[in-house]
Amino acid sequence: DAGVTQSPTHLIKTRGQQVTLRCSPKSGHDTVSWYQQALGQGPQFIFQYYEEEERQRGNFPDRFSGHQFPNYSSELNVNALLLGDSALYLCASGFGPGQETQYFGPGTRLLVL
Amino acid sequence: GDSVTQMEGPVTLSEEAFLTINCTYTATGYPSLFWYVQYPGEGLQLLLKATKADDKGSNKGFEATYRKETTSFHLEKGSVQVSDSAVYFCALDPSNTGKLIFGQGTTLQVKP
Repeated sequence: DAGVTQSPTHLIKTRGQQVTLRCSPKSGHDTVSWYQQALGQGPQFIFQYYEEEERQRGNFPDRFSGHQFPNYSSELNVNALLLGDSALYLCASGFGPGQETQYFGPGTRLLVL
Repeated sequence: GDSVTQMEGPVTLSEEAFLTINCTYTATGYPSLFWYVQYPGEGLQLLLKATKADDKGSNKGFEATYRKETTSFHLEKGSVQVSDSAVYFCALDPSNTGKLIFGQGTTLQVKP
């Protein structure tokens, strides 16, 4: 049983570019949440997707957008990249938006130069 | 707003020592509380959780009790091992909707 998978593992971009990160949830899970973890900090909630809709959103600008597909996989898109967007981006999946236990993927390390 | 405060690290202990990592929270209502662990080079793993006051979460020798009167959820282990070296995150879900709020993390280093 595969856990949560994310791609790519590492990514280097330059300021102003756009990036797309991908996440496949754990088998049987239908809810995906995205988190940003800056170096030395705890993860911060970006948004949550369920039934292909954004259900909750954290305090992130509109440059951060997402999508959930019918197979429950998800994408995180970041436009007009800033140096401060450099971070580890974590995807977490669960069953239902009110679920208590989320399973995290290994993350995508994004470096913006 | 809702928040989590953890004791600052790093915490350095000798093998078989007693561990306490303090965590306090601010939240309205009745949040669920969690401890996650991040081993070097790996993603976050749920260590334990508690969903209501006075609940005790436990796993792999780690324990934490949900104390509503002191708004705390301190992590404890009676005898740490070198393999416990990792970063530990306290987190809460204020409205039980899957939106987790994390503390800043506490690095634990256990020396043989």
